[in-house]
Amino acid sequence: DTAVSQTPKYLVTQMGNDKSIKCEQNLGHDTMYWYKQDSKKFLKIMFSYNNKELIINETVPNRFSPKSPDKAHLNLHINSLELGDSAVYFCASSQGSGGGRGREQYFGPGTRLTVT
Amino acid sequence: KNEVEQSPQNLTAQEGEFITINCSYSVGISALHWLQQHPGGGIVSLFMLSSGKKKHGRLIATINIQEKHSSLHITASHPRDSAVYICAAANTGNQFYFGTGTSLTVIP
Repeated sequence: DTAVSQTPKYLVTQMGNDKSIKCEQNLGHDTMYWYKQDSKKFLKIMFSYNNKELIINETVPNRFSPKSPDKAHLNLHINSLELGDSAVYFCASSQGSGGGRGREQYFGPGTRLTVT
Repeated sequence: KNEVEQSPQNLTAQEGEFITINCSYSVGISALHWLQQHPGGGIVSLFMLSSGKKKHGRLIATINIQEKHSSLHITASHPRDSAVYICAAANTGNQFYFGTGTSLTVIP
């Protein structure tokens, strides 16, 4: 069974559209994350979220918003897509309040977003 | 300047060689993570450490908190170890700082 899954795996869309990427974890973890990996393979954290706290990387545009219907899901909504949003987006989860307290993270397979 | 620096950026080794990847960080941390990204893109967490040394199979990770430095060692390297290895520093504020990665190629 896949521990952390993301859908879709590939997403091609036009500038200006609104899209969502879904993430689900079946590990019973209480903290989930979204990361962006750019064309130079550099990873950046976008959000970390548990049922108590959303921590946003201040460099993330407010066109990006995480939505968590329950502990097992953290979806990423992106409004008014721009060319620069093209990247691979990874979801991850951990038990406890994130890596800041030394919690191992489990990553999803990634979603490759291409904005044309 | 990035808060986390890795070296080397690229590394090619012969099968069987001992490999070391270095990571230096400038932020205060509560944990240091080593990640492996396979050629297919998937990311796996290898180690999470806040002091000392950890070992999984042929992989060893060490950290020196005073010097703000960590190393990842691979003993008896194998072509299947070919991947990008990423160092990430996590602070108590739940912020992550990533290195730019080390691309390792092990030649049979």
